[in-house]
Amino acid sequence: EAGVAQSPRYKIIEKRQSVAFWCNPISGHATLYWYQQILGQGPKLLIQFQNNGVVDDSQLPKDRFSAERLKGVDSTLKIQPAKLEDSAVYLCASSLEGAGDRDEQYFGPGTRLTVT
Amino acid sequence: KQEVTQIPAALSVPEGENLVLNCSFTDSAIYNLQWFRQDPGKGLTSLLLIQSSQREQTSGRLNASLDKSSGRSTLYIAASQPGDSATYLCAVTGTASKLTFGTGTRLQVTL
Repeated sequence: EAGVAQSPRYKIIEKRQSVAFWCNPISGHATLYWYQQILGQGPKLLIQFQNNGVVDDSQLPKDRFSAERLKGVDSTLKIQPAKLEDSAVYLCASSLEGAGDRDEQYFGPGTRLTVT
Repeated sequence: KQEVTQIPAALSVPEGENLVLNCSFTDSAIYNLQWFRQDPGKGLTSLLLIQSSQREQTSGRLNASLDKSSGRSTLYIAASQPGDSATYLCAVTGTASKLTFGTGTRLQVTL
């Protein structure tokens, strides 16, 4: 079974530029998550999708971050314009149902973003 | 608001030693607790998932316990190997399947 795919793996941009990340979840997984992991910290949830609807985006900085999951499969996360403090690893995860005590999240390799 | 704390932040042990990593959380209303491994520059690999009704889970040399009422979990690694060197993250699942992570324990197993 193929895992969660993400691209690109690395990205370096200047502040005020825009950037987009792509995620392809495990086939059949209804729930997709985007996390931000700043160096030395645990991942922080940015947004959670259930199929193509948003379940939780309470920690997404909506003035500069946007995400979509068209057709309930692939997802893109965009930052526009980027700030220095956005330098982090952006992790995508998926789970089968997004509910219940046996629902397990599977993570992709992440995209390391450096903003200079 | 759920808060997850992991102690110690870093640990160095010689090969072959048994070790324990600790995780505590403030809100006991959880669905499950997961332990993850993260290698440098890589994503997260799930090691063990303990449902809220369970007390422990085992996989090979790893054993994780959960005491929901006291808000604590431990990850026990037996006979540590250099390949176990990584950062270990604890995460709890609360309402709407939201995962809250600790800051991790960075483990170094030396020869």
